[in-house]
Amino acid sequence: DAGVIQSPRHEVTEMGQEVTLRCKPISGHDYLFWYRQTMMRGLELLIYFNNNVPIDDSGMPEDRFSAKMPNASFSTLKIQPSEPRDSAVYFCASSLLVTSGGALAQYFGPGTRLTVL
Amino acid sequence: RKEVEQDPGPFNVPEGATVAFNCTYSNSASQSFFWYRQDCRKEPKLLMSVYSSGNEDGRFTAQLNRASQYISLLIRDSKLSDSATYLCVVNLGNQFYFGTGTSLTVIP
Repeated sequence: DAGVIQSPRHEVTEMGQEVTLRCKPISGHDYLFWYRQTMMRGLELLIYFNNNVPIDDSGMPEDRFSAKMPNASFSTLKIQPSEPRDSAVYFCASSLLVTSGGALAQYFGPGTRLTVL
Repeated sequence: RKEVEQDPGPFNVPEGATVAFNCTYSNSASQSFFWYRQDCRKEPKLLMSVYSSGNEDGRFTAQLNRASQYISLLIRDSKLSDSATYLCVVNLGNQFYFGTGTSLTVIP
C-alpha cells in the first residue's frame, strides 16, 4: 500500500488567498483525520471523518476552515481566506477502526507545509 | 489540565545508553495507547502500541500502568538513529490525544 498521500507537499501563498489541501487515505481505512502542527501548539486535531461523514469538527479554528470527504478515497481541507497565522504543517491521517473497546493506530501522510505570507 | 502530558526534554544520552520516557494521562477511562516517533520535518510514525501486559519490540519496551495512569517507553542500547521526538498518544472513545513529544538526541 502506498500509505496516506497528501498534496501539495509545500504551499506558499499570500494572505487572503484560498488554499486547498488534499488527502488520500489508506485504502480500506474508514477514519480520516486532519491535524495541524506548529512549534508553539504541537499537534492539534482539526476534524475527523468516519465513513466520509464529519464526526467532530470542534478543532477547526474558525469559519475560514472547511473540510470535505466526498468519497472514501479523498478529502480536502480548505482555508479561505488564508492568514499568516495559518502557517503550519497540516497532516492527514487514517485509521482502520475505532470501537468501544479502543482504537487501532493512525497512519500519517507526509504533511503539507503551508506558508502564508 | 491537559489530557496527556510528557516531559519535553531534551534528553541527550550517549550511544549505548538506556533511556526511559514517561507519559501521564488524565482520564482513567482511556482505552488505547501508542508511542509514535517523529523525525525532524517528517510525519509521526507509529513506533508501537502499548498493551496492558506490556510489550517489547527489539530494543524498545512499552509499559502501561493504569493505576498511576501513565505509559512508559524504554529504549535499550541507544543508537544514533534513535534521535527523534517521541510522542505518546492516548485514545478515549473517538478521540485521540497527543502529547507534545519528548526530544531525544543520542550522542556518539
